[in-house]
Amino acid sequence: GEDVEQSLFLSVREGDSSVINCTYTDSSSTYLYWYKQEPGAGLQLLTYIFSNMDMKQDQRLTVLLNKKDKHLSLRIADTQTGDSAIYFCAETPDSSYKLIFGSGTRLLVRP
Amino acid sequence: EAQVTQNPRYLITVTGKKLTVTCSQNMNHEYMSWYRQDPGLGLRQIYYSMNVEVTDKGDVPEGYKVSRKEKRNFPLILESPSPNQTSLYFCASSSGQLAYEQYFGPGTRLTVT
Repeated sequence: GEDVEQSLFLSVREGDSSVINCTYTDSSSTYLYWYKQEPGAGLQLLTYIFSNMDMKQDQRLTVLLNKKDKHLSLRIADTQTGDSAIYFCAETPDSSYKLIFGSGTRLLVRP
Repeated sequence: EAQVTQNPRYLITVTGKKLTVTCSQNMNHEYMSWYRQDPGLGLRQIYYSMNVEVTDKGDVPEGYKVSRKEKRNFPLILESPSPNQTSLYFCASSSGQLAYEQYFGPGTRLTVT
């Protein structure tokens, strides 16, 4: 079945890099996503990667995809206090509309 | 401004009292869906709609109903709410074939006592 797993919590110091990891089980996933949820807010799409890519960079964000191990990571360079939020990994199996979410990783950035 | 709106944003109600959470989008999107977010479980899809009068169950449809009479609106109906439906609810919409185009509403926090 479809399953997406993430660690629940990550704490980093301001200015350091953050790496949030995610594993998924569905090998038919075509797109994988990272969403950010700030306190009291909805979900904001940060970035996504197509399954035939292994890396995507967008300013401070780097997404790495290891399709063999079904492992996705999000690296945030020079992490700022404004990056404190919950980060959700998600996938869409078989080019569908449906998003399968992980449980979310709460990132805390310490000054 | 392109957006998905939900009302109400916060609701406290009692067991068994029917309620409706509205969702509206101004982007002429065909696809709309409802998710619930619970701690440690991420977001799970409740129902989705591919177009007007076309709806289908997601992963956790029990206790919910939806309707899609107009393209812009996709209300979520709880006929007889129970405490286990206390959750944070998100509506989303998309125009394209693929989910990366989904826009999320701000969320509705529902408490059923």
